[in-house]
Amino acid sequence: DSGVTQTPKHLITATGQRVTLRCSPRSGDLSVYWYQQSLDQGLQFLIQYYNGEERAKGNILERFSAQQFPDLHSELNLSSLELGDSALYFCASSAPSIVGGPGDTQYFGPGTRLTVL
Amino acid sequence: LAKTTQPISMDSYEGQEVNITCSHNNIATNDYITWYQQFPSQGPRFIIQGYKTKVTNEVASLFIPADRKSSTLSLPRVSLSDTAVYYCLVGALNTPLVFGKGTRLSVIA
Repeated sequence: DSGVTQTPKHLITATGQRVTLRCSPRSGDLSVYWYQQSLDQGLQFLIQYYNGEERAKGNILERFSAQQFPDLHSELNLSSLELGDSALYFCASSAPSIVGGPGDTQYFGPGTRLTVL
Repeated sequence: LAKTTQPISMDSYEGQEVNITCSHNNIATNDYITWYQQFPSQGPRFIIQGYKTKVTNEVASLFIPADRKSSTLSLPRVSLSDTAVYYCLVGALNTPLVFGKGTRLSVIA
C-alpha cells in the first residue's frame, strides 16, 4: 500500500458525459501528479500540482482539468468524454525534495479504471 | 527530458539473478535514475533510485557507471511474483516522470 488513495476504483460512463476522479496523497506530500495509461499510449503524464498550484502540464486535453484543494487532495475532471478516453488514470504524490539529496520519489495510487461506452 | 532505451522483454528462471540494462545517453547533470515496477492494472511501484556508482536496498541493486550513460537494475534470485514490467526513468528533482515502454520480465518456474 503506497498510502495514496484514489476513488472510484472503476467508472463506467457514456460518451459526452463528465466524470470526476479523486486522489488523496500520502500524508505530508505536497505534490500530486496525474497520469493516464492506455493500451496504445502507455503511461503518460497529464498534470502536476504542488501545494495547490499548477506546476507542470503534460499531454492533457483541453476537455480535462484538475485542481488541488487546500487539504491537498486533488480532482481530475474529464468532460465531453470520448471512447478513446477509456484508460487507467493514476495519481501519484511526492514529498518536497531536499536540495542536493535524492530525487523525489513518486508513490502511485491504485488507479481509477474509466470505461467510456 | 532524457530518453531511455531498455529491452522490450526478458525471460528468467526462478532463483536466478536478473540484470536489466537501460541506456540514457543524453542524461543531464541534474538527472537521477529511477526504476519502477508495474503489475497489470496496478500503479507503478518505486524500486530504487540513484545518481552515480552503486545503490542497494532490500529488493534490488542499481549500478551506474561513471559516465552515467547507462544503468543496470539487478534483481537477485527472482521469483514468479517478480513477473512485471520494469521501467527505467531519468529526470531532475520534482519533475514529471516520462515513461517509456519498459521491460516485460517473465519469470519461469
